[in-house]
Amino acid sequence: DAGVIQSPRHEVTEMGQEVTLRCKPISGHNSLFWYRQTMMRGLELLIYFNNNVPIDDSGMPEDRFSAKMPNASFSTLKIQPSEPRDSAVYFCASNRDRMNTEAFFGQGTRLTVV
Amino acid sequence: GENVEQHPSTLSVQEGDSAVIKCTYSDSASNYFPWYKQELGKRPQLIIDIRSNVGEKKDQRIAVTLNKTAKHFSLHITETQPEDSAVYFCAASSYIPTFGRGTSLIVHP
Repeated sequence: DAGVIQSPRHEVTEMGQEVTLRCKPISGHNSLFWYRQTMMRGLELLIYFNNNVPIDDSGMPEDRFSAKMPNASFSTLKIQPSEPRDSAVYFCASNRDRMNTEAFFGQGTRLTVV
Repeated sequence: GENVEQHPSTLSVQEGDSAVIKCTYSDSASNYFPWYKQELGKRPQLIIDIRSNVGEKKDQRIAVTLNKTAKHFSLHITETQPEDSAVYFCAASSYIPTFGRGTSLIVHP
């Protein structure tokens, strides 16, 4: 397996534009997490999906952020409209269904909003 | 929800010395405690983990200890090498990993 795959690796956009980040989890993994990493706040959980259903979205900072998982092999995180303070590295991670095993991270998307 | 505190935020050691990173957690339901290493510009990767039914686990130069009563766990790296330089994250999980803020370990040759 190629591991968790995220795209794009880097994204530079202007304030006010819509940004869509994409993630393909490892095949057979039922849980998917989106994290945001910044120097100030470390790794923050944004949202957790289990079997494609959002279970915990309490970490989503505001209504400008939304996430979907239409099937077991694809998830998106959308920011609309984007703001400079959204600049961060966004990681997607997956693991097996609630078995408390290793969470495998994608390579991350470095988002810069200017 | 779970809250994980990690100390120190920065740790500088000489090659060959030991390094210790400590974490505390708040949710007694957490039963899985992984440690991740993140090199500059890379993704976090698991280096060792421990479950709540075990007090200590060792893998070559790294070891983890867990005190469930006190809700704290630690990472120990012995005989540090320059390639150990990275950011280390602890996490506590019942099913959602909650991460500490990270420790930047610098090993000087």
